[in-house]
Amino acid sequence: QQPVQSPQAVILREGEDAVINCSSSKALYSVHWYRQKHGEAPVFLMILLKGGEQKGHEKISASFNEKKQQSSLYLTASQLSYSGTYFCGTELYGNNRLAFGKGNQVVVIP
Amino acid sequence: EPEVTQTPSHQVTQMGQEVILRCVPISNHLYFYWYRQILGQKVEFLVSFYNNEISEKSEIFDDQFSVERPDGSNFTLKIRSTKLEDSAMYFCASSAGADGYTFGSGTRLTVV
Repeated sequence: QQPVQSPQAVILREGEDAVINCSSSKALYSVHWYRQKHGEAPVFLMILLKGGEQKGHEKISASFNEKKQQSSLYLTASQLSYSGTYFCGTELYGNNRLAFGKGNQVVVIP
Repeated sequence: EPEVTQTPSHQVTQMGQEVILRCVPISNHLYFYWYRQILGQKVEFLVSFYNNEISEKSEIFDDQFSVERPDGSNFTLKIRSTKLEDSAMYFCASSAGADGYTFGSGTRLTVV
């Protein structure tokens, strides 16, 4: 059930944009996105429940495709504070657990 | 902002000893979870808890593990006989339902 996240790592300069992806082999009930900074707990960013849904959090937004098997996270005009590891967590219908991918490490440099 | 509180922040134990990790979830949340993260790796699901019982558990959550909600506020994870490979950061999380999880700051467990 573990989702696949890509790319594994992204390095970008402040102000640049990036897209990171999360995909599943099965249709999902929901997708969550979390950001974890080194030595800290994961912090919830957003949840997507409906196919075709798009959501935003500051200049970070996400989409959930119509088939509900893929989600993308868009980092727009990145800030230094965006650095961290981004995890997607996926939930299947009828389950009460999130399965997390291996994470996308994002490094924003000045 | 409401927080999930975990204690202790660090625990060092000898192999074979029992440990209890404690969590106080957010008070109006109904769903509780334990996850663990081995250094630098992904966050792994252990168990979910709802309505005073386990709703799901992973293959990691074998007979050595148990969870309890002893007093309506605390949520504990017990490892009966620790192994070296149990060394990890253990995160408790809670949620209200169709919502994101709030994670605690974790307990770093080191088994020596």
